[in-house]
Amino acid sequence: GAVVSQHPSWVICKSGTSVKIECRSLDFQATTMFWYRQFPKQSLMLMATSNEGSKATYEQGVEKDKFLINHASLTLSTLTVTSAHPEDSSFYICSAIDGYTFGSGTRLTVV
Amino acid sequence: AQKVTQAQTEISVVEKEDVTLDCVYETRDTTYYLFWYKQPPSGELVFLIRRNSFDEQNEISGRYSWNFQKSTSSFNFTITASQVVDSAVYFCALSEARSSGGSNYKLTFGKGTLLTVNP
Repeated sequence: GAVVSQHPSWVICKSGTSVKIECRSLDFQATTMFWYRQFPKQSLMLMATSNEGSKATYEQGVEKDKFLINHASLTLSTLTVTSAHPEDSSFYICSAIDGYTFGSGTRLTVV
Repeated sequence: AQKVTQAQTEISVVEKEDVTLDCVYETRDTTYYLFWYKQPPSGELVFLIRRNSFDEQNEISGRYSWNFQKSTSSFNFTITASQVVDSAVYFCALSEARSSGGSNYKLTFGKGTLLTVNP
């Protein structure tokens, strides 16, 4: 079946640095991918919709200049957390293809 | 606006007990999809089921069963003869109606129910 690959699985970075997370659709072209964020012991909240070849659509309250999304090909979307701060520490997970197949997630810790 | 309510924050049972996880949803769409996911401690989301709003048939898959009742806007999930490996957070989710020709679902999640199955 369809597989969504997400990398890295976990990352620790220093405050003020940027981190890039990749979401790949391995055997299916994905014109749309979704990025979600999950804080500890909370639910998943949609951050943005990534559209191949065009700008991402961000949900209300999500800073587009802080969470840069690039969807340059039909199989790859990237989320870059710029100038990360401890409050950005969270679990980031993408979905692709049909929107309900998820990657394995990335646990970001900012120290 | 869409909303999913999972009123049970945590449930603890003893192995072999049956357990039902509740899910109530709100939507103005006439066409929508409902989902259940399992999230073990490792974090990944394990897809369990997708149900079309027009299909109110209950479904059984092994020890899992789902009861979809449109009249009460509920989509409850029952695990029969629970096992320790069932311990996880379970999320119910609702999709918005797909746009014409679209095939991607943007999901609204409930807050999740932490199920602990004790030996």
